[in-house]
Formats: sequence, structure tokens, C-alpha cells
Amino acid sequence: SQQGEEDPQALSIQEGENATMNCSYKTSINNLQWYRQNSGRGLVHLILIRSNEREKHSGRLRVTLDTSKKSSSLLITASRAADTASYFCATQPSNYQLIWGAGTKLIIKP
Amino acid sequence: DADVTQTPRNRITKTGKRIMLECSQTKGHDRMYWYRQDPGLGLRLIYYSFDVKDINKGEISDGYSVSRQAQAKFSLSLESAIPNQTALYFCATSDSGRDTQYFGPGTRLTVL
Repeated sequence: SQQGEEDPQALSIQEGENATMNCSYKTSINNLQWYRQNSGRGLVHLILIRSNEREKHSGRLRVTLDTSKKSSSLLITASRAADTASYFCATQPSNYQLIWGAGTKLIIKP
Repeated sequence: DADVTQTPRNRITKTGKRIMLECSQTKGHDRMYWYRQDPGLGLRLIYYSFDVKDINKGEISDGYSVSRQAQAKFSLSLESAIPNQTALYFCATSDSGRDTQYFGPGTRLTVL
């Protein structure tokens, strides 16, 4: 069973706007990770946030984690056409397993 | 060259056939994973291996088997393929002590 649930399932915005995706999960975690998948290709790791962290930045990406609400958000600022992809959150409750959400499909319109 | 490679990239087969998907990595990682992805869904773990002598079942191992031939090679077999095994299959690796996983390009398998 999948632990993470992304919201929204799909998001379409204009280039240059910010995109926000949310992830909720059910059990305690060691960390939460975000990955990007371009059109049926392999997933690429974007950012990892540990359970004792609240916010993390990487370039145009900002991730927040609220363990009390069991939720995380991924913000992509100043979106570009190349950001069009599906974005997945994955929670790590143990030292080996990643549990994946169903993803948010992001479309950036030129 | 890609760090994690998968062969074949696409495969169409018939019900009842035995199929092997192969994964190789040059990252030097000790941990390897096999996932499947169905349309509109996230990844589900089939098997994982922490080293050559350590193989473990994941969430959906029924109908699948694996072999870790070397630290760099991890193959997934479908002994008798069935149509509901039609999916995109991914191999991934990670380094013990680090939580990030690195994915291959995927194998698109269709079972008719």
C-alpha cells in the first residue's frame, strides 16, 4: 500500500509562475524525498528532508516538512518549460524502504 | 555512460513466457532495488538486495524472482508472465548509509 499521497494530481501553470505540490503520509518517517520523472523515464532525486528539519532549499526548489501534520510541500519558483514532469514524494520509515505516492503531474505552459 | 542501465528497454511477450530483466550499475553501490510502476501510480517495491548474499521480498514479490549475480548486477525474472504484469519496471541503487536512490531508465514490459 502507498503511504504518500500527492495533491493535486495534476497542475497546469504558466511559465514563470510558482508551482506548489503537497504530500501527506500516514506513519512516522526518517526522511521524506522528492523525485522528478520525465515522461515515463527514470526518476531523478531532487531533495531530501529529514524528520528533524522543517525547511530545505535547493536552487529554485523549497521543501517544507510538518511532522505534526504528516505533510510536506514542494515549491518550484519561477517555473520553466523544462520543469514539466511528474513529481513524486517518497517517505522512508525505515533504513531501506521508500514508500511512494502516486505523483503530481506538472505542466508548464509557455 | 549511464550509471544505472537496464536491458531490455522495451519488451513485448506472451502469457506464460519466462522473462528476465537485467540491471547493471557502475556507481559502486551495495544496495539494489526492483520496482514496478503502473499508469497513474507511484512505484511499488518488488525485491531489494543489500549485498550479494542478502535478498529480500518487497511489497509485491509474488510472481517474481531475482538474482544478485554480483555487486553490480541484479536481475528480475518473471517465471510465467501474465498480462497484469504489464508495467514499467525500474531498477534503483543506493549506498548504505545514504538514503538517496538512483534509478535506471526503466524497462517497458507488455505481456499479451
